[in-house]
Amino acid sequence: QKEVEQDPGPLSVPEGAIVSLNCTYSNSAFQYFMWYRQYSRKGPELLMYTYSSGNKEDGRFTAQVDKSSKYISLFIRDSQPSDSATYLCAMIIQGAQKLVFGQGTRLTINP
Amino acid sequence: GAGVSQSPRYKVAKRGQDVALRCDPISGHVSLFWYQQALGQGPEFLTYFQNEAQLDKSGLPSDRFFAERPEGSVSTLKIQRTQQEDSAVYLCASSLATQPRARYNEQFFGPGTRLTVL
Repeated sequence: QKEVEQDPGPLSVPEGAIVSLNCTYSNSAFQYFMWYRQYSRKGPELLMYTYSSGNKEDGRFTAQVDKSSKYISLFIRDSQPSDSATYLCAMIIQGAQKLVFGQGTRLTINP
Repeated sequence: GAGVSQSPRYKVAKRGQDVALRCDPISGHVSLFWYQQALGQGPEFLTYFQNEAQLDKSGLPSDRFFAERPEGSVSTLKIQRTQQEDSAVYLCASSLATQPRARYNEQFFGPGTRLTVL
């Protein structure tokens, strides 16, 4: 079993919908939780990160971390066709260097 | 400013050939990472450099994989005697410093090199 599990989708929703993306993890040592967005044939780019449990909001994006359940979420409000991409959750142990990624969820926003 | 660049962007190799993939990190970035991303999967860690020192190579799948960063800037990932299972996108990332305890040092990714082994 992988350390980080993410539903690969694909997920297809109409423009304007609220999108919920989720990951679960098994290693309780993870302290930093990231969401990366990856467009086709591009490298991942950081959307948001949170430290430990809690919520963080940035424009249309909200990241949630529930360490007691080992569960993280990314919500996208008022989704746009330009949000169509693969979304990767990633985690890192405090003091460690390497990112541990989920499988990625492929998201399509239909106009 | 310029981001992380990688070359070549695409590489086709016959099984058994050796390949070399290059990464130019963001200028001044101390840390450099290589990840392997198979089709439909998330990136998986291969190796990590702090300046010219390779501090973690625990993710390299076999001794056919070798990475170097001799002057603490450009890095090369070499794969000897390529196999079909080596087909993947190889991503390079760099960050300004080593991971501190107080916050996350963002890893900036290059566009990757797509390797196809026939």
